Formats: sequence, C-alpha cells, structure tokens
Amino acid sequence: EDQVTQSPEALRLQEGESSSLNCSYTVSGLRGLFWYRQDPGKGPEFLFTLYSAGEEKEKERLKATLTKKESFLHITAPKPEDSATYLCAVRNNFNKFYFGSGTKLNVKP
Amino acid sequence: NAGVTQTPKFRILKIGQSMTLQCTQDMNHNYMYWYRQDPGMGLKLIYYSVGAGITDKGEVPNGYNVSRSTTEDFPLRLELAAPSQTSVYFCASKGLAGGVNTGELFFGEGSRLTVL
Repeated sequence: EDQVTQSPEALRLQEGESSSLNCSYTVSGLRGLFWYRQDPGKGPEFLFTLYSAGEEKEKERLKATLTKKESFLHITAPKPEDSATYLCAVRNNFNKFYFGSGTKLNVKP
Repeated sequence: NAGVTQTPKFRILKIGQSMTLQCTQDMNHNYMYWYRQDPGMGLKLIYYSVGAGITDKGEVPNGYNVSRSTTEDFPLRLELAAPSQTSVYFCASKGLAGGVNTGELFFGEGSRLTVL
C-alpha cells in the first residue's frame, strides 16, 4: 500500500535556528516526490519535485533531498514568514498522489 | 490566469441533503483530482480523472460521486450528507511533465463544508 509518513507533526524554531523535516514513503513505482507549503485557509502551494535518489533542489532557505526511502526538507536560518504546514506527497505509476499529514512549522522572532 | 477555481468557498448542509462542489481549471490539464482535508491531517484522495469521460476511485470514495464531461470541469457530488463529510475539499489538476512543468498538482483555494 502506498503511504507517506511525516515527522515531526509540529516544530517550533527560533528565527535563525536551522532544522530538518522528514518524509518517509512506500510507493509502487515512484514517479516523483513533491513538497508543498500550505498556509492557513489556503490550498497547498508547490515547492519542489524530486525524481531520483541523490537529487537535491534548493529555493531560498529551503533545500529538499531524496533517498530511496525518505526525503528531507532542510530549512536554513528560518524566518517567521517560513511558518506554515509543509506537506510531502508521492506520485505512483497510476498518477495517484498520496500525501502525508504534514509538519506544522512555527518560527518565532 | 485563474488556474483552478472552486465554488462555493463555504457551505453548511443539513444531514441528508445533497450538493455539488464545482471545480474548473483553465490550464488544459488532463488530470484532475478531489481531496479532502480534515483538521490537522493531510489530504485524502476521493476521486480522480485522467481525462474527459474517465474517472476512478481514490482512498475515500464512499458517499461521493464525480463526473468529467469536459476537460475543464470536474464536479464532486455529495449524496445524503453526513457529519463525517464535514471537511475542507480541495480540487487539483495536473498537466504533463515537460519544460518548467514537473507534473506537480495545482490546487484550488478549497471549499469548506460543514454538515449539521
């Protein structure tokens, strides 16, 4: 069964305090691992796609990495505006997307 | 571009009522999806469609129906609403990967449904 597990459920950081979010997955035929950001009351907003183990993508203070069983979203020197829920999803070879429960990040000034 | 548009944004239903959540996209995407998100949870796939006339069940299809008569529209029908269907519903679409498009989902802003 295709599934995605994210940890931790919630993370509180001080501004400037770097950390990582974890996404572990099992999927029948990985056709991409996706990271999204979701602000309260909004739809998820696309951040990254990773296709193969060893791949890395960066955008401002965020860097996503992928291994054969998990992905990490590294947040370097976060700012309060990075506070949001971060969702991880996998796409299988039937074009179905399965989402994790998300990590709610709170960055305090 | 409008992207993915969902209506209504908010709705309150009584138990046993029926309604349709509307979703339309203007990106000429073949794939469209309906998800529900319960408080503090991730998204669960209800139904999806790979093109006009083709739909398939996701993880939690019971109590819902869909149709896809055009590329643009993918309405979600709730029959005999129950309190367990209280949730936020998201519609999403996906194009083919290529160029700057990595095959990701594009989401609407959501429809918040309460069943009392």
